[in-house]
Parts: sequence; structure tokens; C-alpha cells
Amino acid sequence: EPEVTQTPSHQVTQMGQEVILRCVPISNHLYFYWYRQILGQKVEFLVSFYNNEISEKSEIFDDQFSVERPDGSNFTLKIRSTKLEDSAMYFCASSGQGRGNEQFFGPGTRLTVL
Amino acid sequence: GQNIDQPTEMTATEGAIVQINCTYQTSGFNGLFWYQQHAGEAPTFLSYNVLDGLEEKGRFSSFLSRSKGYSYLLLKELQMKDSASYLCAVRDRGGGNNRKLIWGLGTSLAVNP
Repeated sequence: EPEVTQTPSHQVTQMGQEVILRCVPISNHLYFYWYRQILGQKVEFLVSFYNNEISEKSEIFDDQFSVERPDGSNFTLKIRSTKLEDSAMYFCASSGQGRGNEQFFGPGTRLTVL
Repeated sequence: GQNIDQPTEMTATEGAIVQINCTYQTSGFNGLFWYQQHAGEAPTFLSYNVLDGLEEKGRFSSFLSRSKGYSYLLLKELQMKDSASYLCAVRDRGGGNNRKLIWGLGTSLAVNP
């Protein structure tokens, strides 16, 4: 069964450094998303992406963040100048054109900022 | 504002039935989803409702009343592996291809033998 994959599974970085989180969405999906979940808190929407551009972004997704689809398979989230409060689980998701357009989630990248 | 409420914790016994409620107040509505999340793992899709009524899928059923802003997830014949967090999420309605999900905090279900 097709699945969303993410790398790395765990990223540790120093405050102020840049990180790139990588995702490979399900191949025939058209909509891509990034969410984050701080430990013990709810899942929060960051950004959605369709047709090679951002569809919507939340207040969290400020100039520190950017997304890119550099080729036909990868979808990346870049966080510039990381802060302690960026420590969270980052989930990539993708959806197709089915009845519910349910979003399928990758296993997540746990980002730890020291 | 956007608000999704679920009970924080529930416990149930193996083999029993449990109902997890969700109420929502959102600026738009384009479907309600239930996801299961085991600790440290990604949410996995369980069910989807966009029209009022009951959707059944094996041991899991989900109900929606749009006029009441209310949904529930019903789990039957509980198994130990059903111990997890159950997340209620509402898909926002927006222009273009806006399909973001707005999430509740989740209900942590403990299934006891």
C-alpha cells in the first residue's frame, strides 16, 4: 500500500541553525501539507501546497519557514534559524481526489532544538 | 474562532463498546475526520463524515450532526490494541484548494483487560 515517507526520523540541531525536513508524498496525490505537534499538544496546521504553490498557511508559518517541491517526488520544509520552541514532531501529509480527500500522514520527523 | 472539543481521557474494558464525542465550532465546514494516533506515531485515518448520519466501517462507526456541530466515534468489540489517542478534525471550507484540517486535542483511550 502506498505511503508517505519522511526523513530523517529524528533531527537534533543547535538553536539558530537551519534544518530541512524531507517528505515523499504518495505518488498520485496532488495536495501536500505540513503539520506540527508539540509534545502533549494538538496537531497544528502549518501549510498546504498545490500545483507548485502554497494554498494556505497558518500564523505559525512565518518568514522562518519555507516549503519547496524541488522535483516530482520530494516535498521539503525548511526552518531557518531554529528556536527552542520549534522542537516538535513535524508531519507531512498528502491527499488525492477521492470522496473524502482524506489526508495520509507520514511517520513524522522529531525535531529537537538545543 | 475555531474550537473542537473532546474528552481528554476515557477508559473501557476489552470487548466492550465505547463512544467518543466531539463538538466543534468552526468558521467553515467541509467534512469531519477521525484519526487514531498511537504514542509517538503519525495519525492514521479512521473515518470521514460530510453529511448527517452514521458511517460504518467494520468495528468503527462515526456519526455526524451538522446542525448540532457534533460527532461521535463508536468503537465496538474493543481490543487492547485500540488503546490510543483518537483525534477529531474538521476540514475548513475555504477558497481555492484550501483543505486544512483543524484538530481537537484528542481523546486518550485506555482499554483494560
